Amino acid sequence: NAGVTQTPKFRVLKTGQSMTLLCAQDMNHEYMYWYRQDPGMGLRLIHYSVGEGTTAKGEVPDGYNVSRLKKQNFLLGLESAAPSQTSVYFCASIRGTSTDTQYFGPGTRLTVL
Amino acid sequence: AQKITQTQPGMFVQEKEAVTLDCTYDTSDQSYGLFWYKQPSSGEMIFLIYQGSYDEQNATEGRYSLNFQKARKSANLVISASQLGDSAMYFCAMREGWVEVTSGSRLTFGEGTQLTVNP
Repeated sequence: NAGVTQTPKFRVLKTGQSMTLLCAQDMNHEYMYWYRQDPGMGLRLIHYSVGEGTTAKGEVPDGYNVSRLKKQNFLLGLESAAPSQTSVYFCASIRGTSTDTQYFGPGTRLTVL
Repeated sequence: AQKITQTQPGMFVQEKEAVTLDCTYDTSDQSYGLFWYKQPSSGEMIFLIYQGSYDEQNATEGRYSLNFQKARKSANLVISASQLGDSAMYFCAMREGWVEVTSGSRLTFGEGTQLTVNP
């Protein structure tokens, strides 16, 4: 049982490049989330999904797109990276009951030059 | 308005002493959940403790306890017998409403408190 995994762990992009971050969970969780964490700050929600084929915007969705084609995977895309998107990105998931805690992946450190 | 406020950017404690990390929250929901996470320097997010708004008892998990004062909207984390390995960033987070499709069980995080345990 690997829990929540994220690929890649580190990435450096140039302004304007695109990339996709992959989050995978093997716990059969319904809900999945993408957060970003900027230096010295807490996590802010980018997008989330309450089930396969569904996505919704969080607090800071601009510049990002997501897809959840399979229940176990949640993809975060940057179409045209900007330096303001330099951050650590965390994926999380929960089963979907009232007392659930969010299980977090290890994070992806992204630098946009 | 900030929904989760952690007023202590940094805290210092001596090893083996207890420490309280403050968290206040703002919500109009009757049903909500409060969480504490630990983030060591390695960067991962580690769940510590959960308190539901309807829970009458304060939550405890080993050396961690949550001092929940509903009327004051505070959910302070108490760490007893601090250890050097407790040095980390600590985040308070809130989930508003029950877990349901419309709300998505989203978490709102505070800005964190950096705890340093001195030997």
